[in-house]
Amino acid sequence: QVQLQESGPGLVKASETLSLTCSVSGGSISSYYWSWIRQPPGKALEWIGYVHDAGSTKYNSSLYSRVTISLDTSKKQFSLRLSSVTAADTAVYYCARSRELRDFDYWGQGTLVTVSS
Amino acid sequence: QSALTQPASVSASPGQSITISCTGTSNNVGNYNLVSWYQQHPVKAPKLIIYEDTKRPSGVSNRFSGSKSGTTASLTISGLQAEDEADYYCCSYEGSGTLVFGGGTKVTVL
Repeated sequence: QVQLQESGPGLVKASETLSLTCSVSGGSISSYYWSWIRQPPGKALEWIGYVHDAGSTKYNSSLYSRVTISLDTSKKQFSLRLSSVTAADTAVYYCARSRELRDFDYWGQGTLVTVSS
Repeated sequence: QSALTQPASVSASPGQSITISCTGTSNNVGNYNLVSWYQQHPVKAPKLIIYEDTKRPSGVSNRFSGSKSGTTASLTISGLQAEDEADYYCCSYEGSGTLVFGGGTKVTVL
């Protein structure tokens, strides 16, 4: 059974960089798209971006200038870096697996990141 | 990337059927058979219930069905049950190679 687990600081100061890692177990990291998705408290899901094991990345245009998603196949992990955070970046951050960009079939449990001023 | 449009809320009594719409554009919903639907209970991660517009993953109740007409996709829940009370999100692939979610619909079982 594929499992994803997010890890990283739950509190980040405004203007600093948010960094999260997603560890994948129970399945291959190859041939899938690995995404980060976030959900501000009481609000909708927002796709942040993905990385493919072939090395390609794609980001939400609204976050493009601040986001980097990378993949470490040897560790079966992928990571999110979001720079210059503000209170608007406070959200539950999910990592998820995508099959050929047609759906998100496995999700992590989510981790709340709060941006403090 | 503008969010897909969903009604904010839908409610019905147990046993009834409801349909949630998800309206996009010719750049996403209308041009690709790549709409997926997710069910999210409070403080839980979303769960995939429909993919490729109409397909149901193994283990998902056949009370959930998906359809699409033009730039509007729909999720129908038949024989509504108390456990179906949750938030529902649609998602579509876009021509730019990105993905976009809907604003979410809260389903209330009366």
